[in-house]
Amino acid sequence: ETGVTQTPRHLVMGMTNKKSLKCEQHLGHNAMYWYKQSAKKPLELMFVYSLEERVENNSVPSRFSPECPNSSHLFLHLHTLQPEDSALYLCASSRTGGGFTEAFFGQGTRLTVV
Amino acid sequence: EDQVTQSPEALRLQEGESSSLNCSYTVSGLRGLFWYRQDPGKGPEFLFTLYSAGEEKEKERLKATLTKKESFLHITAPKPEDSATYLCAVQTISGTYKYIFGTGTRLKVLA
Repeated sequence: ETGVTQTPRHLVMGMTNKKSLKCEQHLGHNAMYWYKQSAKKPLELMFVYSLEERVENNSVPSRFSPECPNSSHLFLHLHTLQPEDSALYLCASSRTGGGFTEAFFGQGTRLTVV
Repeated sequence: EDQVTQSPEALRLQEGESSSLNCSYTVSGLRGLFWYRQDPGKGPEFLFTLYSAGEEKEKERLKATLTKKESFLHITAPKPEDSATYLCAVQTISGTYKYIFGTGTRLKVLA
């Protein structure tokens, strides 16, 4: 099994729809992240959960709502999105504490808002 | 303000033509510097972590080095399959959960 799995890989949704992105990690990490990647921009950190508690929320619009039911699963609930929200949404996980600090990413969900 | 700048933005090489990618950083205190490879439409794939100036890491045709202001990713005798975007990121001492990314270098290796 791959370390970090995201579903779906592709999603097209209308501006009035509600959908959710799912992320699952099999690495035993204790922190999970949502990033947004748009063309020619650096990865933008959206949310961070550590031990299932949200520790970072980078001024993300309320139309994005994260959920972390346990240390292995992370969701991003989407509603009433705008066309400019179209991007690649990446989930990552890392271990905090100890000597290893690198984050591992999933394959991403390509989101298109029409 | 913590910042990461990568250059060049894009690079075209002939197969076998070695080169280097640059990642310069300005941070209050470096916890770690990371290199990733990203193929189109996919998530970044972890390559290396460097923690202190003078450190070097190698993997196949790639070698990453670190100084107090910048990191280089050296590509020796590249092959077409090395074509990808290479991302650099830093983590600061004060930001356990914060990875600051550069915009990447798009590498194209021609056969």
